[in-house]
Amino acid sequence: DADVTQTPRNRITKTGKRIMLECSQTKGHDRMYWYRQDPGLGLRLIYYSFDVKDINKGEISDGYSVSRQAQAKFSLSLESAIPNQTALYFCATSDSGQGKDTQYFGPGTRLTVL
Amino acid sequence: DQQVKQNSPSLSVQEGRISILNCDYTNSMFDYFLWYKKYPAEGPTFLISISSIKDKNEDGRFTVFLNKSAKHLSLHIVPSQPGDSAVYFCAASGSSNTGKLIFGQGTTLQVKP
Repeated sequence: DADVTQTPRNRITKTGKRIMLECSQTKGHDRMYWYRQDPGLGLRLIYYSFDVKDINKGEISDGYSVSRQAQAKFSLSLESAIPNQTALYFCATSDSGQGKDTQYFGPGTRLTVL
Repeated sequence: DQQVKQNSPSLSVQEGRISILNCDYTNSMFDYFLWYKKYPAEGPTFLISISSIKDKNEDGRFTVFLNKSAKHLSLHIVPSQPGDSAVYFCAASGSSNTGKLIFGQGTTLQVKP
């Protein structure tokens, strides 16, 4: 079984709709992250959380919100989707106890906003 | 302002030869560097890392070199195999255990049989 899972894997939605992407992990890691990938831009950090009560904005948080429901679950919401939020979205985790910033990624969600 | 840059969008090499992927960074506070590999329809997978106190780290066919004075790192794959065909991302972290990684744009490697 995958250590980091994301649902849904693919989603097509319309402009203005609210959408939630979910991430679950069984790695026991305390830190979780949301990234988006766009062609030619690499991965950019949207939000990150170092524990259940900790939420931080990343590089491109406008138009997004997150919820850390439990140590193992971190969801990303688009309150009112717009076409330029069409992208690949990745969840990642890391373990602060390791003393390194190695992150482990889920399989991704391909989101299309029409 | 792109703090981590991979200036070659693509690279093509013959099976058995060496692949060299390059990455430049601008922030001298970065002290931990990673390479990730990504296949289509999958998430990035961690490949190899290096701390700024080292200039080389080797793991099997993969070696990462760090030149701090030039703010440059490279990933060498020897020998290259068709299964190495993927997108490779370099990433950097500023002071260990901050949890935040800055990624380059990625380089698509094609290894031809």
